Amino acid sequence: NAGVTQTPKFQVLKTGQSMTLQCAQDMNHEYMSWYRQDPGMGLRLIHYSVGAGITDQGEVPNGYNVSRSTTEDFPLRLLSAAPSQTSVYFCASSGPNGYGYTFGSGTRLTVV
Amino acid sequence: AQKVTQAQTEISVVEKEDVTLDCVYETRDTTYYLFWYKQPPSGELVFLIRRNSFDEQNEISGRYSWNFQKSTSSFNFTITASQVVDSAVYFCALSEPRYNTDKLIFGTGTRLQVFP
Repeated sequence: NAGVTQTPKFQVLKTGQSMTLQCAQDMNHEYMSWYRQDPGMGLRLIHYSVGAGITDQGEVPNGYNVSRSTTEDFPLRLLSAAPSQTSVYFCASSGPNGYGYTFGSGTRLTVV
Repeated sequence: AQKVTQAQTEISVVEKEDVTLDCVYETRDTTYYLFWYKQPPSGELVFLIRRNSFDEQNEISGRYSWNFQKSTSSFNFTITASQVVDSAVYFCALSEPRYNTDKLIFGTGTRLQVFP
């Protein structure tokens, strides 16, 4: 099925560990984004990309890295996990003007 | 500055009641897009509607309807004859394509509980 695929669905990390959340889409969308969702705060933008090779920071980028080497993939890297990064992470992709804005199923990350 | 406000944190209704979820937005742009998403207890985000700023027609889809009023910067969502399956968190969001980024600015969400 076409859409946005996120892996893993659940992850527990120890403080200081690093990991990569994977995101792939097969809709040939140029725009991809990562959001985090915390209780009472809605979804906040971490990083986004408007095309392969182009990324930029969102509202809450500290502690995260991204790269976009292909149109399909947009991984999110946690460099040194902290308890404050415990959250649910969503990847999204869209066509121009928000057309077809689609979210992945989310990754629930716990940092202990 | 862009901002989306969903003042209702939580709403509880009994099945078959009508319920309206409020959304107020702020933007300086004349071209923008508004969205509603549903997040059921399973956690995924389900797209409900996308509306551009030049289309002020109200929209109805089954039991769902949306009232877009630019004069009050509001994009309210009404569920008619609510059902238990409507229980979820609902998010309103805004995007401004002027910067060619398609970033979504989300409200904090409204949790709707529908009791049988």
